[in-house]
Amino acid sequence: KQEVTQIPAALSVPEGENLVLNCSFTDSAIYNLQWFRQDPGKGLTSLLLIQSSQREQTSGRLNASLDKSSGRSTLYIAASQPGDSATYLCAVKETSGSRLTFGEGTQLTVNP
Amino acid sequence: GAGVSQSPSNKVTEKGKDVELRCDPISGHTALYWYRQRLGQGLEFLIYFQGNSAPDKSGLPSDRFSAERTGESVSTLTIQRTQQEDSAVYLCASSYSGTGSYEQYFGPGTRLTVT
Repeated sequence: KQEVTQIPAALSVPEGENLVLNCSFTDSAIYNLQWFRQDPGKGLTSLLLIQSSQREQTSGRLNASLDKSSGRSTLYIAASQPGDSATYLCAVKETSGSRLTFGEGTQLTVNP
Repeated sequence: GAGVSQSPSNKVTEKGKDVELRCDPISGHTALYWYRQRLGQGLEFLIYFQGNSAPDKSGLPSDRFSAERTGESVSTLTIQRTQQEDSAVYLCASSYSGTGSYEQYFGPGTRLTVT
């Protein structure tokens, strides 16, 4: 059974810092990996999707990497801003099956 | 390009009552998914539709839970005889398989509170 773990569970940084969020998964037979952000009381916003054949994806100040063989992904946020404060979720889709398996998230607070 | 919409946004019900939650996927998205997020916990998969068939409903927690979908459109998740442990945010997502990415787009969720 696929298990997804995110470290740290919570992170508080001052504005302007670069930071890294970590995601690990137990079964490397994945089809893709998605990073989402969730604001309090809201749904999920897709940030980046990395296919299993890709090593990284970038969108603005965000960069996500994938090392499928070691079961790891990182989300790098450059020059953090208070508006980045949210919970960040990592989810994998396996090659067999349709569901996403989620980690429990990293709650990020960026202090002005 | 409207996103995924869900209704109601909030629902308070008494234990033992039935509830229906609705999801409108993005137009043209053939796949639709339901997930549940209990307070302080991660998202749990409930059911997946491809068109109006449900090839994977292994996440439904009990026979009190059922779901249906009309063609490639609206889906309804029904919970019968609600229990307090059913209190959660119910999230719906849709995806388009034509590009091969299977990227899932989520709605804002329905917050269900069972009193």
